[in-house]
Amino acid sequence: EIQMTQFPPSLSASVGDRVIITCRASQGISNYLAWFQQQPGKAPKSLIYAASNLQSGVPSRFSGSGSGTDFTLTISSLQPEDFATYYCQHYFGHPITFGGGTKVEIK
Amino acid sequence: QVQVVQSGAEVKKPGASVKVSCKTSGFTFTSYVMHWVRQAPGQRLEWMGWINGGKGHTKYSQKFQGRVTITRDTFANTAYMELSSLRSEDTAVYYCACSFGDWSPLDYWGQGTLVAVSS
Repeated sequence: EIQMTQFPPSLSASVGDRVIITCRASQGISNYLAWFQQQPGKAPKSLIYAASNLQSGVPSRFSGSGSGTDFTLTISSLQPEDFATYYCQHYFGHPITFGGGTKVEIK
Repeated sequence: QVQVVQSGAEVKKPGASVKVSCKTSGFTFTSYVMHWVRQAPGQRLEWMGWINGGKGHTKYSQKFQGRVTITRDTFANTAYMELSSLRSEDTAVYYCACSFGDWSPLDYWGQGTLVAVSS
């Protein structure tokens, strides 16, 4: 089973800040990596697939990069609606696994 | 417009079974794979298994093998997840999520179904 490790587990930031979240896979997964945003009490929302492709309708301030084992999600200028928990997830075979999440809180 | 709508919350006793439905619209059900993912309180998301909407093939996480059954009704564009021998640790929100084939991202998600297991 591929383990997905995210860091930091939480961070505090202000509106307008640049935020970077990191995800590491325990073995190479090429670019079979997605990022999700989850608001409290809501279902996860897909942001990025194939490590760097933005889902339709997702603001361009979100971007993803990486390949192999190391990946990043960047929010270029944090907006009030971006305060949420973010998860990475691999789909390089089975079982699919998720990172532990990064909670982005208001500073 | 894509919609993925799950059945409502359930309260079950230990040892019982629960069956959650996931009704889809706005895309070709038989071209997609329906996954089930759960999230226990304070825990990370956990993949349980999937069913191929067209061929009906299934794949389960080893953790749930023998306790979970995923089925689908192509006429109703609906997938189902049944979990048996429930225990308190199965208390979680259960999500249905859809991908365009296996080894593909989970594009569409249902709203989630809370299953509470309590004596």
